[in-house]
Amino acid sequence: GAVVSQHPSRVICKSGTSVKIECRSLDFQATTMFWYRQFPKQSLMLMATSNEGSKATYEQGVEKDKFLINHASLTLSTLTVTSAHPEDSSFYICSATQTAVKPETQYFGPGTRLLVL
Amino acid sequence: GESVGLHLPTLSVQEGDNSIINCAYSNSASDYFIWYKQESGKGPQFIIDIRSNMDKRQGQRVTVLLNKTVKHLSLQIAATQPGDSAVYFCAEKNAGNMLTFGGGTRLMVKP
Repeated sequence: GAVVSQHPSRVICKSGTSVKIECRSLDFQATTMFWYRQFPKQSLMLMATSNEGSKATYEQGVEKDKFLINHASLTLSTLTVTSAHPEDSSFYICSATQTAVKPETQYFGPGTRLLVL
Repeated sequence: GESVGLHLPTLSVQEGDNSIINCAYSNSASDYFIWYKQESGKGPQFIIDIRSNMDKRQGQRVTVLLNKTVKHLSLQIAATQPGDSAVYFCAEKNAGNMLTFGGGTRLMVKP
């Protein structure tokens, strides 16, 4: 149980284009999902908290207009990197909590490697 | 500000030996901690968790110890195997069930 998937696993795009990353909880409902960014040899940095049916809460320094988050259902949250630039190249990881069972424990997806040329 | 940190960035152990990965935290109000394992190119994998009302919790080949007096957390891996090679992160729960991650320790298992 508690499986989280992400799609795509890797994406290469040109500078200026937008990229959408999907995060799905496969076998449980997740009222809350989290989006992280991880640069090489660094720890995970929280970008935003995504709540189903409401606006996402962004961490300080994260541009909400650049990183659009939509949590349309209890099993799906999407992160769209708009007008991507090479400095947005990173490993993007989502997590979800089994809200009804154990809200403190986050289960992570496999991550999406984004490379902006 | 409050933070979670690690003492050792890299730990190298011989296969079959026990591994101990340490983590220091500074928020004395934290009441829930998690250890994650992250292999290269993958997302973090839940290993074990512990609440602040406990000092020790055991799983399969892993044990987490919590010392609230000195605000120290450790992960012990028994009979370390090559498959245990990864980066290990401790994480501390904050308000709103958000997690603050430590810097990570790379565990290298020598055959």
